[in-house]
Amino acid sequence: GENVEQHPSTLSVQEGDSAVIKCTYSDSASNYFPWYKQELGKRPQLIIDIRSNVGEKKDQRIAVTLNKTAKHFSLHITETQPEDSAVYFCAAWSGQYSSASKIIFGSGTRLSIRP
Amino acid sequence: EPEVTQTPSHQVTQMGQEVILRCVPISNHLYFYWYRQILGQKVEFLVSFYNNEISEKSEIFDDQFSVERPDGSNFTLKIRSTKLEDSAMYFCASSVTESDGYTFGSGTRLTVV
Repeated sequence: GENVEQHPSTLSVQEGDSAVIKCTYSDSASNYFPWYKQELGKRPQLIIDIRSNVGEKKDQRIAVTLNKTAKHFSLHITETQPEDSAVYFCAAWSGQYSSASKIIFGSGTRLSIRP
Repeated sequence: EPEVTQTPSHQVTQMGQEVILRCVPISNHLYFYWYRQILGQKVEFLVSFYNNEISEKSEIFDDQFSVERPDGSNFTLKIRSTKLEDSAMYFCASSVTESDGYTFGSGTRLTVV
């Protein structure tokens, strides 16, 4: 089955700097990669996603890149702000085979923005 | 914005007791899921549900667990005989199609004592 590895587990950056979180996946059939932000005690919220027919996607200060050959994808946050502090989860979905039809999450990255 | 609603927000139960966690998915969504998150850990898949049957389940979802969609709006997770290690946050999620991002509910924190 699919396995998603995420790193780093914790990341501290100065406010205004950029943050990068990287993930790898194991199932070459995976074709949808959402990213979730989870604030303390709250639900995971979808912040951006990318499909395998696209190499990069951007939404304001957030961008995701996907390298299908290497089976890795990354989240980039530019001009970080205090409200970006949260746990970020990458995830992968494989819909080609019904037995793998679910989103599998990475282990999470705790991002802290230093003022 | 439509929301996935979960009740209760917090449930404390004694070991061995049955619990039912309730969810109301977004009305036009067709795919439903339960995930759990042990404190400080990652979000783990339990089960997916479509067309009134389980599509897939994880190894965590053993015979003690069951899901049901008793009417057109509710989606429930039952744990028949709770164990201490069942203590976690349980999230319900729904999506329009299999390959869309899931919308998560606010979760039920289950504490087994």
